[in-house]
Amino acid sequence: GAGVSQSPRYKVAKRGQDVALRCDPISGHVSLFWYQQALGQGPEFLTYFQNEAQLDKSGLPSDRFFAERPEGSVSTLKIQRTQQEDSAVYLCASSLRGGGEQYFGPGTRLTVT
Amino acid sequence: SQQGEEDPQALSIQEGENATMNCSYKTSINNLQWYRQNSGRGLVHLILIRSNEREKHSGRLRVTLDTSKKSSSLLITASRAADTASYFCATAPGNAGGTSYGKLTFGQGTILTVHP
Repeated sequence: GAGVSQSPRYKVAKRGQDVALRCDPISGHVSLFWYQQALGQGPEFLTYFQNEAQLDKSGLPSDRFFAERPEGSVSTLKIQRTQQEDSAVYLCASSLRGGGEQYFGPGTRLTVT
Repeated sequence: SQQGEEDPQALSIQEGENATMNCSYKTSINNLQWYRQNSGRGLVHLILIRSNEREKHSGRLRVTLDTSKKSSSLLITASRAADTASYFCATAPGNAGGTSYGKLTFGQGTILTVHP
């Protein structure tokens, strides 16, 4: 069956550009998470959606980061005025309900030059 | 910030040997999960152990959890070259209500290399 998909898989942005990263979760999964993974590190939580409601955005590093899931399925993570420190792999995960195992997408590798 | 610390940071073994990785964490948890990440691929869920469980098995995997020591271990028996990957523990926080929506806090991972 179809897993979590993310696009683009790779993105190179010049410093100051805006980027939008897309996540298609597994159909019917209520919970959706975004994580940021720096090279050689474990993923770090960014934000969480339950259906279309963003219930936790405590991990977003600055107000340049914005996420939405308007219809409770596809989600977009937007980064405005990208900085070099934003370079990382951005992972999306979904789960059928809160608290259980999460299914991760392949990630989007963002490089800011 | 990372909650967990994993030990060792890197582990190199021969095919057929067992591999043990340890994870320590700091706050109360609802459950602890182990994930594998191959080079260039996404994270794959391996096993979940709840805070009221002490041991769990899945195929060649055995996970233990000691909540009094805030630690867990992952044992892979009869390792194969295909087990070469990074392994992460991740904790889902507990709360007074006993439920958790599942926000995961990951450790820094153990890099396992299995030589054929």
